[in-house]
Amino acid sequence: DQQVKQNSPSLSVQEGRISILNCDYTNSMFDYFLWYKKYPAEGPTFLISISSIKDKNEDGRFTVFLNKSAKHLSLHIVPSQPGDSAVYFCAASAADYGQNFVFGPGTRLSVLP
Amino acid sequence: EAQVTQNPRYLITVTGKKLTVTCSQNMNHEYMSWYRQDPGLGLRQIYYSMNVEVTDKGDVPEGYKVSRKEKRNFPLILESPSPNQTSLYFCASSWAGRGNQPQHFGDGTRLSIL
Repeated sequence: DQQVKQNSPSLSVQEGRISILNCDYTNSMFDYFLWYKKYPAEGPTFLISISSIKDKNEDGRFTVFLNKSAKHLSLHIVPSQPGDSAVYFCAASAADYGQNFVFGPGTRLSVLP
Repeated sequence: EAQVTQNPRYLITVTGKKLTVTCSQNMNHEYMSWYRQDPGLGLRQIYYSMNVEVTDKGDVPEGYKVSRKEKRNFPLILESPSPNQTSLYFCASSWAGRGNQPQHFGDGTRLSIL
């Protein structure tokens, strides 16, 4: 059973609007969460992260929200741009598990001009 | 330029023929890791290494071997490849492997085992 889930395989958004990508996890031991972006034929690149002691982290157009009680996090992109079109992976880690990182299956975001 | 370099980028081979995918990083990172990406499953960790001569299994280690004899290199070895190891593989590194340290990824190696 997947410990990190991204239930939307794909998402289409109009340029300039908000993109909201969701991630759910099952393991309450996870204490750090990261979002990666991946373009075709390239490796994932780090986007933004959040510690379990926070509920929000912001970096420019990107904001990640964490709801620990619901075991849910979301990535907001405002405003969305065509260059944001990529696959977004949610990842989680738990220090007690020996630095093993768990990734979700990814969500493909398409930002339409 | 800081980077993680994987070779080869593409390989088509046959069942049972031993192969090695090399991974090298130039950032002096302690932590290195291998992942495979499969449709609908995301990235799954195969093996990771906290430091030279220290390696540990990830979620899907069966059929793979690794070694970490030097800090910069972390090769992935398939002793007897099988078709279910056909996948897209990524090598990654970070300073110390802590959860709050983003990993730097290579551009991937696409393996096809016939």
